[in-house]
Amino acid sequence: SQQGEEDPQALSIQEGENATMNCSYKTSINNLQWYRQNSGRGLVHLILIRSNEREKHSGRLRVTLDTSKKSSSLLITASRAADTASYFCAHMDSNYQLIWGAGTKLIIKP
Amino acid sequence: SAVISQKPSRDICQRGTSLTIQCQVDSQVTMMFWYRQQPGQSLTLIATANQGSEATYESGFVIDKFPISRPNLTFSTLTVSNMSPEDSSIYLCSVERRGPGADTQYFGPGTRLTVL
Repeated sequence: SQQGEEDPQALSIQEGENATMNCSYKTSINNLQWYRQNSGRGLVHLILIRSNEREKHSGRLRVTLDTSKKSSSLLITASRAADTASYFCAHMDSNYQLIWGAGTKLIIKP
Repeated sequence: SAVISQKPSRDICQRGTSLTIQCQVDSQVTMMFWYRQQPGQSLTLIATANQGSEATYESGFVIDKFPISRPNLTFSTLTVSNMSPEDSSIYLCSVERRGPGADTQYFGPGTRLTVL
């Protein structure tokens, strides 16, 4: 089932700028994950943040988690054309099933 | 991690026919999941397939329409039966890995289905 929300639904920025995507959820979580899906390809797992973590970095990616607000954000710094993709957050519920957000379509303009 | 393959990678089918999608994992897993991603939408869980038991279907999905087999711990199939254009989607299988304090899911490359 889909119980997460993401905003914005679509984001178009210039290459080199930073892109921020937000995700909210409704239940308690074990962890929250961000995925990327390039057109015509499968999902790629980007980063996982545990419920007891507040911030996590991976290369140009920075993820924050605020469990009091039930929200997370994904920041991509110094964006590149190759970052053009759809980004999804997903949290794992107590039944170990992933609950997905609607996704943000990111377009990086050269 | 887990290496997951799916067959076919894509297919174009006629209305009223059925298509069986295969999912192969490189290691034994207890739980496998089948998802659907319709154009422009997020992933939707179809069913959970555990080896040796009937698949558990989510609301809105029924076994007659999406029969699933799980003959062993590395393989599963999803059949899309009596297809209509509304079934045009990407279908993905995934497996879950449970770790200490953290769990994640790994996805296959997906099967892109177009129903004419």
